[in-house]
Amino acid sequence: EDQVTQSPEALRLQEGESSSLNCSYTVSGLRGLFWYRQDPGKGPEFLFTLYSAGEEKEKERLKATLTKKESFLHITAPKPEDSATYLCAWGATNKLIFGTGTLLAVQP
Amino acid sequence: NAGVTQTPKFQVLKTGQSMTLQCAQDMNHEYMSWYRQDPGMGLRLIHYSVGAGITDQGEVPNGYNVSRSTTEDFPLRLLSAAPSQTSVYFCASSYSSGDQNIQYFGAGTRLSVL
Repeated sequence: EDQVTQSPEALRLQEGESSSLNCSYTVSGLRGLFWYRQDPGKGPEFLFTLYSAGEEKEKERLKATLTKKESFLHITAPKPEDSATYLCAWGATNKLIFGTGTLLAVQP
Repeated sequence: NAGVTQTPKFQVLKTGQSMTLQCAQDMNHEYMSWYRQDPGMGLRLIHYSVGAGITDQGEVPNGYNVSRSTTEDFPLRLLSAAPSQTSVYFCASSYSSGDQNIQYFGAGTRLSVL
């Protein structure tokens, strides 16, 4: 059964304290590995898509990386506005399997 | 562009009632999908469409119907609401172009079934 697992469930950081979120997947063939950000009361917002092991993408303080079995979302020197739930998903563009997310809180 | 618009934002139903959740997109995307989000479960795919007139079931389709008569609209119908359908529902539209595969989500409909 295809499965996407995220860890940790929750993470509290001090402003400027870098860390990484993990997404491991057990799937039958890699189509795409997606990262989203979700703020309370809102829909998920697209961040990155990764396709090949070794691929990396960056956006501001975020960098996503991909291996054959997992993906990491690295957050460098986070700010309070980075606080959100980060969702990982695998699949095709319109048909995704989501993990349960990591709730990130960045304290000033 | 408004993006993906979902209505209503909130809804309370009694068990057995029917209703339609509306979803409209103005980006001319081929693909549209419906997900539900429950605590501790993540988002789960209900139904999806790859174009007007074409729909298919996702992971949790029971109790829901969809149709796609136009590119812009993808309504989700609850035929006879049950308390287990209490959830937050998200509609998404997407396109695929080269290595760009992006889904845009609406703001969600929060549904309570009593």
